[in-house]
Amino acid sequence: KTQVEQSPQSLVVRQGENCVLQCNYSVTPDNHLRWFKQDTGKGLVSLTVLVHENDKTSNGRYSATLDKDAKHSTLHITATLLDDTATYICVVGDRGSALGRLHFGAGTQLIVIP
Amino acid sequence: EAAVTQSPRNKVTVTGGNVTLSCRQTNSHNYMYWYRQDTGHGLRLIHYSYGAGNLQIGDVPDGYKATRTTQEDFFLLLELASPSQTSLYFCASSGTANSDYTFGSGTRLLVI
Repeated sequence: KTQVEQSPQSLVVRQGENCVLQCNYSVTPDNHLRWFKQDTGKGLVSLTVLVHENDKTSNGRYSATLDKDAKHSTLHITATLLDDTATYICVVGDRGSALGRLHFGAGTQLIVIP
Repeated sequence: EAAVTQSPRNKVTVTGGNVTLSCRQTNSHNYMYWYRQDTGHGLRLIHYSYGAGNLQIGDVPDGYKATRTTQEDFFLLLELASPSQTSLYFCASSGTANSDYTFGSGTRLLVI
């Protein structure tokens, strides 16, 4: 059973617009949550990590929130650029110990058009 | 610059063939991982390792073996490749299970 659900599956925005990506999960325990960016055919690059209840992070034009009660996270991208075209993957870590596992969502494919 | 390097970038083999995917990390990380990525699925963990000589079974290990020969090198072995193993394979490393991950650029495997 999929434990990390992302929505939308794909999204097209015009350059300069803002967008919001959603991540809902059922992983327990939920030690931390990461957002990764994956360019086509490339590896995953970490954008941000959220650890605590109601965490909010900011990394340039990327900002993220985490609601552990609702098991929900959002990734906001402001003033999108063409280079933001990529797949954005939500990943939940189930514990912080050496036995921790990562649970990956299938990703949201973002396409930014001129 | 610290990195995770995978080789080959692309590989084609026939059903029943023998394939070895290589991964080297220069991050001085203890943990290394092999994942496969298929359309419509999140990355799925095949095998991982805490250090040289250590091997742990992941979530989708069937048909795969792995070996961690050194701190830096982690290999994924497909001894009897099948078309169902056609996929994009990623290697990753981390200092601990909770720390940041560094991913390789991937190996695209086609089994015909």
